[in-house]
Amino acid sequence: AQSVAQPEDQVNVAEGNPLTVKCTYSVSGNPYLFWYVQYPNRGLQFLLKYITGDNLVKGSYGFEAEFNKSQTSFHLKKPSALVSDSALYFCAVRDIGHDYKLSFGAGTTVTVRA
Amino acid sequence: DTGVSQDPRHKITKRGQNVTFRCDPISEHNRLYWYRQTLGQGPEFLTYFQNEAQLEKSRLLSDRFSAERPKGSFSTLEIQRTEQGDSAMYLCASNFPGTSVPNEQFFGPGTRLTVL
Repeated sequence: AQSVAQPEDQVNVAEGNPLTVKCTYSVSGNPYLFWYVQYPNRGLQFLLKYITGDNLVKGSYGFEAEFNKSQTSFHLKKPSALVSDSALYFCAVRDIGHDYKLSFGAGTTVTVRA
Repeated sequence: DTGVSQDPRHKITKRGQNVTFRCDPISEHNRLYWYRQTLGQGPEFLTYFQNEAQLEKSRLLSDRFSAERPKGSFSTLEIQRTEQGDSAMYLCASNFPGTSVPNEQFFGPGTRLTVL
């Protein structure tokens, strides 16, 4: 079965500093990977996805993610964090052979201090 | 607003009561999904529809849960004889499934259920 792990419950950074949110995956076959962000009392918003091709994927709000097959990782990055980036971030993998289902990690709470 | 909408946003009920939630997907999307999210966890898949057909149900979906999408547009999720363990955020999402490239799912704001 496909799964993702987010090893950090919380990430704290100062505004203007680089932000990294870690995700590792376990799949059989080629992975389809996603990042979503959740603000309080709101649904999940799609940030970016990796399907195939370039290992560096660019997404919304200045976020990007680096796919690393040898390390089975898909870390989310932002070069310069903003206070408004404070939110809950989820990594997800789409099940191979079950194209309807996303399996999510437990989430990482990002706090960006001014 | 042309996004996914859910109603109600919050529901407080007593144990043993029945509750029903509604989801209106993005109008042109033929797939609709239900997920459940408990505190400190990521969303967990419950079930999905393609048009009006319910094609898959998770083992999380006990016999007390039923979902419908009668005309292939909005969907309802009913929980009968609610239990305290049903307290969670219920999320709805929709998309086109995509052919060679999987499409992202678009999520609604969720319905937060509290069972007393």
